[in-house]
Amino acid sequence: DAGVIQSPRHEVTEMGQEVTLRCKPISGHNSLFWYRQTMMRGLELLIYFNNNVPIDDSGMPEDRFSAKMPNASFSTLKIQPSEPRDSAVYFCASSPGTGPNEQYFGPGTRLTVT
Amino acid sequence: SQQGEEDPQALSIQEGENATMNCSYKTSINNLQWYRQNSGRGLVHLILIRSNEREKHSGRLRVTLDTSKKSSSLLITASRAADTASYFCATDYNTDKLIFGTGTRLQVFP
Repeated sequence: DAGVIQSPRHEVTEMGQEVTLRCKPISGHNSLFWYRQTMMRGLELLIYFNNNVPIDDSGMPEDRFSAKMPNASFSTLKIQPSEPRDSAVYFCASSPGTGPNEQYFGPGTRLTVT
Repeated sequence: SQQGEEDPQALSIQEGENATMNCSYKTSINNLQWYRQNSGRGLVHLILIRSNEREKHSGRLRVTLDTSKKSSSLLITASRAADTASYFCATDYNTDKLIFGTGTRLQVFP
């Protein structure tokens, strides 16, 4: 298996622009997680899905952030409009299902908003 | 915040030495996991220890869990330069959600 796939790997955009990050989880995994990592705040869970349904979005910073999972093999995280403080590395992770499952992380998308 | 705290924040050792990292958390947990992150990469799962276990081994890794003290430690024996990375503990509280600690940056010098 190719592992969790994220695109793009790097994104540089100007403040106010819309940004869409993409994730393909490992086939057969039922849970998908979006994280943000910064030096100041560490690794933060933004939202997670189970069987394509959003379960907990309490970590989404504000209404500018939205996430979707239209099917079991694809998810997006959208920021509109983007701001410089959104600059971070965004990780997608998947896990096989409920219970004490390990999470498999993608390589991340490094977002820079100027 | 439920976030775990890791100690030390940074650790530098020579190859062949042992490295010990500690993690403390705030509320009762189901399981605790340890992950490694190489620079510029995603996190990689190392080991999971359940709340009713006290010690677990995997290769050169040894994890202990003390639920009475709400703490865990990760020991890497006979370290190698390739072990240079950040190490994170992560706890779950009866859901799929993991809460990650602040991480320990380990540098192993050849």
